[in-house]
Amino acid sequence: AQSVTQPDIHITVSEGASLELRCNYSYGATPYLFWYVQSPGQGLQLLLKYFSGDTLVQGIKGFEAEFKRSQSSFNLRKPSVHWSDAAEYFCAVGAPGSNYKLTFGKGTLLTVNP
Amino acid sequence: AAGVIQSPRHLIKEKRETATLKCYPIPRHDTVYWYQQGPGQDPQFLISFYEKMQSDKGSIPDRFSAQQFSDYHSELNMSSLELGDSALYFCASSPPPGQGGDTQYFGPGTRLTVL
Repeated sequence: AQSVTQPDIHITVSEGASLELRCNYSYGATPYLFWYVQSPGQGLQLLLKYFSGDTLVQGIKGFEAEFKRSQSSFNLRKPSVHWSDAAEYFCAVGAPGSNYKLTFGKGTLLTVNP
Repeated sequence: AAGVIQSPRHLIKEKRETATLKCYPIPRHDTVYWYQQGPGQDPQFLISFYEKMQSDKGSIPDRFSAQQFSDYHSELNMSSLELGDSALYFCASSPPPGQGGDTQYFGPGTRLTVL
């Protein structure tokens, strides 16, 4: 069964600083990896996804993520954080053999200081 | 662009009552997924439908049932509600296989509160 670990429950950064959110996955084959963002009381918005090919993927809102098979990681990055990026970020893995149902990590809450 | 529509957005019920949550997928999406997100928790997969047939089942209680109708909308029926059912229920939809069926798009969720 697939699983996702987000080691950081809460991260605080200053506006304008760089950001990296960690995600490690466990899956027997090539995973389908996603990052979603959730603002308080809101739904889940897809930031980016990785299926195959170039291991550095670009997403919306200036986010990017890098797939590293050797480390079973899919870390999310942003070079300069904006106050509006404050939200909860979920990493998820989908399995083709399981009808692409998603398994989520526990999430990382991002706080942005002015 | 059209998004996934969920109704109602908020629902308050008493214990042992029933509730029905509705999900309208993005047009031309034929797969629907339901997830439950408890307070401070990550979303947990409940059940999914593809072309009106149940395609997968997760940790969905026996008190819950769901179906997908001919117009592809889906309903999640919840009976004998318990306090622990209070959560945010998400519906997600995805396009047909070969057309991006590996990516799910989420609705805004229905917040169910059981008193």
